[in-house]
Amino acid sequence: DIQMTQSPSSVSASVGDTVTITCRASQDIRSWLAWYQQKPGKAPKLLIYSSAILQRGVPSRFSGSGAGTDFTLTISSLQPEDFATYYCQQANSVPRLTFGGGTKVEIK
Amino acid sequence: QVQLVESGGGVVQPGRSLRLSCEASGFTFNTYAMHWVRQAPGKGLEWVAGIRYDGSIEFYADSVKGRFTISRDNSYNTLYLQMNSLRGEDTAVYFCARDLQGQHLIAYYFDHWGQGTLVAVAS
Repeated sequence: DIQMTQSPSSVSASVGDTVTITCRASQDIRSWLAWYQQKPGKAPKLLIYSSAILQRGVPSRFSGSGAGTDFTLTISSLQPEDFATYYCQQANSVPRLTFGGGTKVEIK
Repeated sequence: QVQLVESGGGVVQPGRSLRLSCEASGFTFNTYAMHWVRQAPGKGLEWVAGIRYDGSIEFYADSVKGRFTISRDNSYNTLYLQMNSLRGEDTAVYFCARDLQGQHLIAYYFDHWGQGTLVAVAS
């Protein structure tokens, strides 16, 4: 299976900051990558798919980039509602879909 | 609006069986692939199984292959997960999720999720 490694595992930031989360695949997944946001006790929410396509209704302060093995989720001008855990997910190795371990964005 | 409502979770002994259901509404169920994703307490997400819009093809994670069966009844807009030979490591919240693509295609991304149902395997 393709392993997805996220870094950092947690990050402390303030409202208004820019936060960058990295996801590295153990092999080439082209652009078959999604990012999800999950708040405690809630279901995940799709933010970005195919590495850089913003899901409908998601604020433009979220952006994704990357291809091959290295990917980035950037949250510009962090808002209070953005404090959550973020997961990447590869969709290249079908049907062996795998998620990263998660990155918790905490309030500094 | 799209709604997915899971049910059927509970406490079950190791080796026993359980069937989860996910009732869908607010979209044309029979044109979307569907999936189950689980999350062990305090852990990350794990994709479990997926099924084509017409039920003709099923996909499974290696960790559940041969023990779990995904199915659907498009007449009742309902997705199922039959879980047999349950183990402690199957303890998790189970989410049903709609595939992003629709139109009889599969994107393998998940754009709508239910609230989840907890399965606890313990003696």
